[in-house]
Amino acid sequence: AQSVTQLGSHVSVSEGALVLLRCNYSSSVPPYLFWYVQYPNQGLQLLLKYTSAATLVKGINGFEAEFKKSETSFHLTKPSAHMSDAAEYFCAVSDLNTGNQFYFGTGTSLTVIP
Amino acid sequence: GAGVSQSPSNKVTEKGKDVELRCDPISGHTALYWYRQSLGQGLEFLIYFQGNSAPDKSGLPSDRFSAERTGGSVSTLTIQRTQQEDSAVYLCASSQNQGITEAFFGQGTRLTVV
Repeated sequence: AQSVTQLGSHVSVSEGALVLLRCNYSSSVPPYLFWYVQYPNQGLQLLLKYTSAATLVKGINGFEAEFKKSETSFHLTKPSAHMSDAAEYFCAVSDLNTGNQFYFGTGTSLTVIP
Repeated sequence: GAGVSQSPSNKVTEKGKDVELRCDPISGHTALYWYRQSLGQGLEFLIYFQGNSAPDKSGLPSDRFSAERTGGSVSTLTIQRTQQEDSAVYLCASSQNQGITEAFFGQGTRLTVV
């Protein structure tokens, strides 16, 4: 069965510091992986996705994530946090076995300290 | 339309009443999902429609919840005899057919049961 684990339900970083949000997945076949961001009172917006091309994926707003098969991880990073990055972040996994079904992690709330 | 549209954006209802939540997916998207997000919680999968296949209803929390999708497009989520624990944001998403493309989310319907 597919699943996603996001370590750390709350992460705080200082403005300008590195952002690292962790995501580990389980999947019996090559996965497709996604990071979504949710700003207050809004729906989810796609940040980036991995679909078996380059393992380092660049997304919007300066975020990137690296697919590491050996570690079953897809951690989200940004070199320098901005106040506007404060939001909820969700990792999701899908694969052909699930027929396009998406499985979401429980989310990580990012706080940026000025 | 340009994006996934959900209506109403907010709904306040009395305990015991029935409610209907509507989702208009992106035109041409064959997959449609409903999720529930309670305050400070992650995404809870409710139901998934894929084309003309039987929907995956495995996430519906009780028989008070039902959903249909007419003509492969618009979907309605119905909650009968609402309870206070049904209060949450209900998110709808759609995606293209199998091939693992990202899900596009609507802004959600905030349901409050008083």
